[in-house]
Amino acid sequence: GNSVTQMEGPVTLSEEAFLTINCTYTATGYPSLFWYVQYPGEGLQLLLKATKADDKGSNKGFEATYRKETTSFHLEKGSVQVSDSAVYFCALGNAGGTSYGKLTFGQGTILTVHP
Amino acid sequence: DTGVSQDPRHKITKRGQNVTFRCDPISEHNRLYWYRQTLGQGPEFLTYFQNEAQLEKSRLLSDRFSAERPKGSFSTLEIQRTEQGDSAMYLCASSLGAGSYEQYFGPGTRLTVT
Repeated sequence: GNSVTQMEGPVTLSEEAFLTINCTYTATGYPSLFWYVQYPGEGLQLLLKATKADDKGSNKGFEATYRKETTSFHLEKGSVQVSDSAVYFCALGNAGGTSYGKLTFGQGTILTVHP
Repeated sequence: DTGVSQDPRHKITKRGQNVTFRCDPISEHNRLYWYRQTLGQGPEFLTYFQNEAQLEKSRLLSDRFSAERPKGSFSTLEIQRTEQGDSAMYLCASSLGAGSYEQYFGPGTRLTVT
């Protein structure tokens, strides 16, 4: 079945540092890929997405590129802020069949940014 | 757009009791999903509806769990004879469609079984 593996956390950075959170996946077909974020005390919200190979999703300075050859969707940001402290989830959307659209999540990565 | 709402936000119950949660999706969304999230883990799929039809149930969903979406509007998730292992955050999400469509999540219902 489909699965998503995220780098183990937590990740602690200083403000303005470069961020990478690794995500790799196993899937049949051509899934859509997502990064969701959960800020303290809030619900899950979509950060960015990519729907086909070589697509780059971007939002709020975050980027991730759908790499089919390495089955990866790593999240990057050039300069993190304290307000980016949150839990980040990589997710895969099933490509078809009766499970079309169902999301499979990674275990989440806790990011803490210090001033 | 008032977003996805869930009720109650917190529920504490004794083992063996029945509980029911409600989810109100974004009004024009035809897809509705239920997920379960335990501490330190990502959400796990439980079931989903296309309008009023329940199209898939996860193997995580034992026969103590049942979900409905009458008339394709709100949905309820009922857990009968609760067990301590049912303690988790139950998340509801809705979307306009499948595939690349964004799923909008509600705030969740935190269930504690004592």
